Amino acid sequence: GAGVSQSPSNKVTEKGKDVELRCDPISGHTALYWYRQSLGQGLEFLIYFQGNSAPDKSGLPSDRFSAERTGGSVSTLTIQRTQQEDSAVYLCASSSPPGAHEQYFGPGTRLTVT
Amino acid sequence: AQSVAQPEDQVNVAEGNPLTVKCTYSVSGNPYLFWYVQYPNRGLQFLLKYITGDNLVKGSYGFEAEFNKSQTSFHLKKPSALVSDSALYFCAVREPGLTGGGNKLTFGTGTQLKVEL
Repeated sequence: GAGVSQSPSNKVTEKGKDVELRCDPISGHTALYWYRQSLGQGLEFLIYFQGNSAPDKSGLPSDRFSAERTGGSVSTLTIQRTQQEDSAVYLCASSSPPGAHEQYFGPGTRLTVT
Repeated sequence: AQSVAQPEDQVNVAEGNPLTVKCTYSVSGNPYLFWYVQYPNRGLQFLLKYITGDNLVKGSYGFEAEFNKSQTSFHLKKPSALVSDSALYFCAVREPGLTGGGNKLTFGTGTQLKVEL
């Protein structure tokens, strides 16, 4: 079936604006992850959703970042009052525990804050 | 806390020669280890994993990796490199037996593999 999809593929925004990034996981996958890939920081974990459990938000870098997952499927990552240091590629992944270990990644959203 | 080190920013190898991309890890208990590959402007693609069992694991595109517990290493190998293998390779680790955020992957900084004719 289809893999993880993300939209938009590219987003350019002005500093101070809010942005929303969307992730559509593989159908049936109960776990969803957001990561950020930037030149200075490498690949960083941001947030993790598993079913109806409370999300693990331990990787969110500031309170300007939030995410939700509606109906156990699509997820939206929101960045408020964007800053230039938010420029990065935002990657979404999904997996299907229990028993599954590998995560399947989407193509990412490249965010540029000017 | 778990961590991964990829000591080489770049590895150059001639096509047809064997390649090795190095990875060492630090984790409490027995690790779950992964290799991913990233082509330009693409997401990460899963290559292989070590969970338990044989120390030598085989994955996609002819790649394999050897888990060495005493050296805390999980080096990626391929007997004969192809130009099309040129990409960015990431090693990742997660701690076993944890639910919730314990499923998150911790990645190394990546190694750029360049295979030349």
